[in-house]
Order: sequence, then C-alpha cells, then structure tokens
Amino acid sequence: SAVISQKPSRDICQRGTSLTIQCQVDSQVTMMFWYRQQPGQSLTLIATANQGSEATYESGFVIDKFPISRPNLTFSTLTVSNMSPEDSSIYLCSVGEGNYGYTFGSGTRLTVV
Amino acid sequence: GQQLNQSPQSMFIQEGEDVSMNCTSSSIFNTWLWYKQEPGEGPVLLIALYKAGELTSNGRLTAQFGITRKDSFLNISASIPSDVGIYFCAGQLAGSARQLTFGSGTQLTVLP
Repeated sequence: SAVISQKPSRDICQRGTSLTIQCQVDSQVTMMFWYRQQPGQSLTLIATANQGSEATYESGFVIDKFPISRPNLTFSTLTVSNMSPEDSSIYLCSVGEGNYGYTFGSGTRLTVV
Repeated sequence: GQQLNQSPQSMFIQEGEDVSMNCTSSSIFNTWLWYKQEPGEGPVLLIALYKAGELTSNGRLTAQFGITRKDSFLNISASIPSDVGIYFCAGQLAGSARQLTFGSGTQLTVLP
C-alpha cells in the first residue's frame, strides 16, 4: 500500500492566521481526500482532490476556508484559513488506490489559540 | 450526509475475551472497511470487505459484510493489551465517487 508523509505533525497557531498542511505520497494516485477529525469525534470528509481539476467540497466546507492544491499525482496541500479555535482538530489526508484501498497519513494535530 | 450507526461506543474487556462491534445504516454500501486508530496516529486499515455476505479474517480479527449491504460487524478474538484503540467502520456508498463515510467509533480498553 501507499506510504503517506504528512506534515506538520502538529502545530499551535494564532487565531486569524493560516496553516498549510502537506501530504506527500510515495506513488502516483488519482484520488486524494482530506478529512477533519474534531476532538473525540469521527472523521468527516472535507474534500476530494483530483489532479488537474478543482477540489470537490462536502457540505459545510468551502474553498475560501479550506483551499486545496493538487499540482501532481503524488502531492496535495490543504490550507486552513483565518483560523479560529473551532478549527482545532486533526486533519488527515488519505489516498484511494487499487480497487478500494484507502490509506491515511498520520495526521496534523492543529490547536488554534 | 449519510450516517453509520456504530456500536458500542466504548467497551471495557478483560484480556483474553472476545469482542464484537457493528455498524448499521439505512443506506446501501458497496464497500465496508474497518480501521483502528491509536493516539497520535491516522487510522490503519484492518479489513476490507467488497461483497455482500463476505466474511474475511485477518489474524484474530474477523469481519463480515452484511447480506443486505447495510451493515457489518467486526469480531476480535482472544483480546490482548495492544488491541486498545478506537475502531472505526467506514463504508463507500453505492453510487458515490469512492468517498468514505465513517462510523462514530468504538473505544476499546483491554484490562490485564
């Protein structure tokens, strides 16, 4: 299965600032997904990022708040913009590969103060 | 969005006991996946199920894809301390573009 490197692993940020999270995969993959996991909660899909097209956002998530880049088949970034304490969560990237395999990165633990 | 009802929410068991957890939905799924998440880590795939009725094992873990395609269970036999973690079911809805819907998780604690 694919190996995903996600960074930073954690960060503490001031409200009003932005943080860009990077996701690097060791193989080319068509579909990459970004999830949010709020404290003590399950995973919620933010958006699907396919190379060469605009990301597709789920209900409740907008591009202005969570802009995504997907410049090639091995890399994607998620930016959390104009952060507030409610954005404190774990952000995870995932890739879909093969038939239906889904691999996750180790996550970025974000705390907004 | 679609919801998966996962139960139980938490379990406290003695080492050596068997564990069972399940997920149900009112929607039909093409794929069921079971993940384990440990603190500070992303979810790790344990078992993937692709066909209704499919029963798959991975060591002490066994999972089944419900015949109605609306449910799945995960069993862990002879639990050990390293089984501690949060277990999530996840499903890919029929007709969706491969996005996963996650259950709320089962927090498993194994007592020595």
